[in-house]
Amino acid sequence: GDSVTQMEGPVTLSEEAFLTINCTYTATGYPSLFWYVQYPGEGLQLLLKATKADDKGSNKGFEATYRKETTSFHLEKGSVQVSDSAVYFCALSDLESGANSKLTFGKGITLSVRP
Amino acid sequence: KAGVTQTPRYLIKTRGQQVTLSCSPISGHRSVSWYQQTPGQGLQFLFEYFSETQRNKGNFPGRFSGRQFSNSRSEMNVSTLELGDSALYLCASSFGLGLKNIQYFGAGTRLSVL
Repeated sequence: GDSVTQMEGPVTLSEEAFLTINCTYTATGYPSLFWYVQYPGEGLQLLLKATKADDKGSNKGFEATYRKETTSFHLEKGSVQVSDSAVYFCALSDLESGANSKLTFGKGITLSVRP
Repeated sequence: KAGVTQTPRYLIKTRGQQVTLSCSPISGHRSVSWYQQTPGQGLQFLFEYFSETQRNKGNFPGRFSGRQFSNSRSEMNVSTLELGDSALYLCASSFGLGLKNIQYFGAGTRLSVL
């Protein structure tokens, strides 16, 4: 079945540091890929998405490129801020597996940014 | 425009009881999905409804059920609660089905089973 693997956390960075969060996936079909963010006490918010190979999703300074050859969708940001402290989830949705809008999530990783 | 509203936000129940959680989607959205979030298993898909019909179901026991009303509001029910059902239950709504429809999540209902 479909699965998403994220790097182990938590991650602690200083403000303005470079961020990379690794994400790899396994899917039976040709999935769409997503990054969601969860701030304390809130639900998940879509951060960015990519629907086909080599697509780059971007939002709020975050970027991720859909790499089909390495089945990866790593999240990057050039300069993190304290306000980026949250839990980040990589996810996929795979229509060919028979799902409609079902999202398969990774375990999530907690990012803490120090001033 | 109001977001996805889940009620109640917190709930405490004892083993063996049943519970009903409610989700009001964003106005105009017809698809509602439910997810269970636990520290051990992470986020797991429960089921999805569209136009009052269950379109997809995750790998959960029959104690977990749901329904959707004609106004797109959805409820999920868990019967004969077990300690392991303690979790954050998240509801997401989208305009339609499929990958072009972004899912918007509510803040969740935190269920504690004692």
